[in-house]
Amino acid sequence: TQLLEQSPQFLSIQEGENLTVYCNSSSVFSSLQWYRQEPGEGPVLLVTVVTGGEVKKLKRLTFQFGDARKDSSLHITAAQPGDTGLYLCAGAPGNQFYFGTGTSLTVIP
Amino acid sequence: KAGVTQTPRYLIKTRGQQVTLSCSPISGHRSVSWYQQTPGQGLQFLFEYFSETQRNKGNFPGRFSGRQFSNSRSEMNVSTLELGDSALYLCASSWDRGLKNEQFFGPGTRLTVL
Repeated sequence: TQLLEQSPQFLSIQEGENLTVYCNSSSVFSSLQWYRQEPGEGPVLLVTVVTGGEVKKLKRLTFQFGDARKDSSLHITAAQPGDTGLYLCAGAPGNQFYFGTGTSLTVIP
Repeated sequence: KAGVTQTPRYLIKTRGQQVTLSCSPISGHRSVSWYQQTPGQGLQFLFEYFSETQRNKGNFPGRFSGRQFSNSRSEMNVSTLELGDSALYLCASSWDRGLKNEQFFGPGTRLTVL
């Protein structure tokens, strides 16, 4: 069992559609990060959410941190082919850094 | 400013051998962390080094070790390689210690164990 479970695991949608990716845990995190990884590259940090209930927007991406700081979501509006990649949530509840199970997104033109 | 660099990018080894991977962090960054990425287990934390000292460690056997030099460059060593060690090994650097700081990742070293 992974500390951070993401759903869905795979997502294939048409350009212009909206989507939401979920990141859930039974542990409390002081902060959660979201990364995107493209093939052949390392993950790139998109955002860090710190406060329970916090909502952050990054252009067409909206990130929310759950009130209890155990879960987070990523919503993409009007997805574009450039959004294709592996989306990972991550955090460090203690002395280790955990990545989520990942959501592989494919946006079809 | 140059990003995180990792060498080599690709490596093929056989079971029982050992391997050393290298990571050069972004200039000025003093923390280096290592991760293993596999299709089955995803991204898993190996260890973090700061000021030449291991600060945090993940749940990997002692065959996995690392070190950091005074210039913040880091190496990771895996001894007695097993087939299951085949993975993408990623290095990340950040300006300060602590796993909650923004980490900048390198492109990784793809290790194949035959």
